[in-house]
Amino acid sequence: EPEVTQTPSHQVTQMGQEVILRCVPISNHLYFYWYRQILGQKVEFLVSFYNNEISEKSEIFDDQFSVERPDGSNFTLKIRSTKLEDSAMYFCASRVAGSTDTQYFGPGTRLTVL
Amino acid sequence: SQQGEEDPQALSIQEGENATMNCSYKTSINNLQWYRQNSGRGLVHLILIRSNEREKHSGRLRVTLDTSKKSSSLLITASRAADTASYFCATDPLDSKLTFGKGITLSVRP
Repeated sequence: EPEVTQTPSHQVTQMGQEVILRCVPISNHLYFYWYRQILGQKVEFLVSFYNNEISEKSEIFDDQFSVERPDGSNFTLKIRSTKLEDSAMYFCASRVAGSTDTQYFGPGTRLTVL
Repeated sequence: SQQGEEDPQALSIQEGENATMNCSYKTSINNLQWYRQNSGRGLVHLILIRSNEREKHSGRLRVTLDTSKKSSSLLITASRAADTASYFCATDPLDSKLTFGKGITLSVRP
């Protein structure tokens, strides 16, 4: 069964460094998302992406964050200058089309900022 | 309560018993989804129920949706130790981003 994949599974970085988290959505899906979950807290929406542009972003998704679909398969989340509070599990999700479709989540990347 | 708020926060049952988890939400929705998360792992989609549906089954799972009360319940029948996990409801309003609750920690004792 097709699944969303994410790399790396765990990323450790120093505060102020740039990180790129990578996702490969399910191949025929058209809508892509990033969510994050700080340890012990809710899963929070960051950004949605459709037709090569951001369709919605939350207030968490400030100028330090950016997303890109550099080719036909990858979907990346970049954090330009990481802060301690960026430490969280980051989940990528995708869905086929239509707001009534299931969002399928990847296994997540655990980001630790030291 | 906030959108997608589950209760109870924690539930401990014996293997073989049924587990019932509830979710309440505030705004209109297109659908409501339940996910499971094993400790420190990814979110596994369990079931989606659309706003025009009242009940849905998938294996040992039964989900109900009452849009007049803005609530949903997830029933796991004949629970197993492997069902031990956190369970989240997520609402999908018209703009399609999911809003998650804080989750319910289910412990199934062998």
